[in-house]
Amino acid sequence: DTGVSQDPRHKITKRGQNVTFRCDPISEHNRLYWYRQTLGQGPEFLTYFQNEAQLEKSRLLSDRFSAERPKGSFSTLEIQRTEQGDSAMYLCASSLLEARGYTFGSGTRLTVV
Amino acid sequence: AQKVTQAQTEISVVEKEDVTLDCVYETRDTTYYLFWYKQPPSGELVFLIRRNSFDEQNEISGRYSWNFQKSTSSFNFTITASQVVDSAVYFCAPDSWGKLQFGAGTQVVVTP
Repeated sequence: DTGVSQDPRHKITKRGQNVTFRCDPISEHNRLYWYRQTLGQGPEFLTYFQNEAQLEKSRLLSDRFSAERPKGSFSTLEIQRTEQGDSAMYLCASSLLEARGYTFGSGTRLTVV
Repeated sequence: AQKVTQAQTEISVVEKEDVTLDCVYETRDTTYYLFWYKQPPSGELVFLIRRNSFDEQNEISGRYSWNFQKSTSSFNFTITASQVVDSAVYFCAPDSWGKLQFGAGTQVVVTP
């Protein structure tokens, strides 16, 4: 069990550019979640997958955001035409469906300049 | 939808003092889980404890204990004999069918 891995750890991008983050969950976990955390706040739910199916998306997830989990393994979160307001820590978590416990990755810190 | 209130923004204590963190939540779910997570300066969220809404028995796990009262929707968390390594932001988070709703967090500062 190597835990939840996120890549990259840090990303600095210019406004208007597209960025993509990757999350590798714990291998046997069938659920994968994305959260966003801004400075001084708790994480906010963005979306989650059960296997390859995206089951729910938060209203926070604008049209510029898209997430995928092909084959039910790793997941990617893409932000198109980044804005300064997208600057945040993006956290990934995974769980087993019935276990009701969540393991978080170390996050990807995005800075939009 | 759920709402979580962690009224304490920051708590500062001297090592070996006890720290109690307050959490009040709102939920319309009849079945739910409650979590406490710790976020040290490194940024990773670390699982501390989980309690389901059917079990109001309060427990102690090492230096951690919690007081869950469903009638008042409170889920308080205590660190006994605090240590400098306990310095972190602590989040209370009820769980509704796979989505954690985090509070704003309480910053705990433990000084030697």
